[in-house]
Amino acid sequence: AQTVTQSQPEMSVQEAETVTLSCTYDTSESNYYLFWYKQPPSRQMILVIRQEAYKQQNATENRFSVNFQKAAKSFSLKISDSQLGDTAMYFCAFTQGAQKLVFGQGTRLTINP
Amino acid sequence: DSGVTQTPKHLITATGQRVTLRCSPRSGDLSVYWYQQSLDQGLQFLIQYYNGEERAKGNILERFSAQQFPDLHSELNLSSLELGDSALYFCASSGQGHYGYTFGSGTRLTVV
Repeated sequence: AQTVTQSQPEMSVQEAETVTLSCTYDTSESNYYLFWYKQPPSRQMILVIRQEAYKQQNATENRFSVNFQKAAKSFSLKISDSQLGDTAMYFCAFTQGAQKLVFGQGTRLTINP
Repeated sequence: DSGVTQTPKHLITATGQRVTLRCSPRSGDLSVYWYQQSLDQGLQFLIQYYNGEERAKGNILERFSAQQFPDLHSELNLSSLELGDSALYFCASSGQGHYGYTFGSGTRLTVV
């Protein structure tokens, strides 16, 4: 079964600090896609970053980057120079092909001024 | 605006009632997914449609049903509502390739 595990229910950092959110997943497939979604207090689901499993290069989107370790089935999200607007729930998600997204339980991130 | 439209945004109804949630996918997307998010929980997959046909089912209750119409919009029908059905219901759509799934803003259902 495909599962996604986020081991940090809550995290809190000061503004401008760097924070890393952890995610591990389980699959027997070799080709799949990984995502991080952000859910701010508005509850909107916003795509932050995506990674294709067959690409070894880690994805980067401005202040957001991932550390993708395929052998370890690990997909962590690093947020650099954190901002107050980064306060949100962050969900790691996984999919194989044109199939459903499987989500982790989320990490509640609070950025303190 | 994500391009995925969900209506209504809020819905309050009594136990035992039936409601219909509507979703219009992003232009060109053939796949529609429905997810349920209870308070402070993750997103649970309910059902997927692709170009009008059911593609996959998750933990969807028998009291719930869905369909996707020829114009690709989808409806999620929830019947015999119970207090525990109160949740945020999301619709998402996807197209060719895997550039991420686009979510609507959700329908917040409150059963009283």
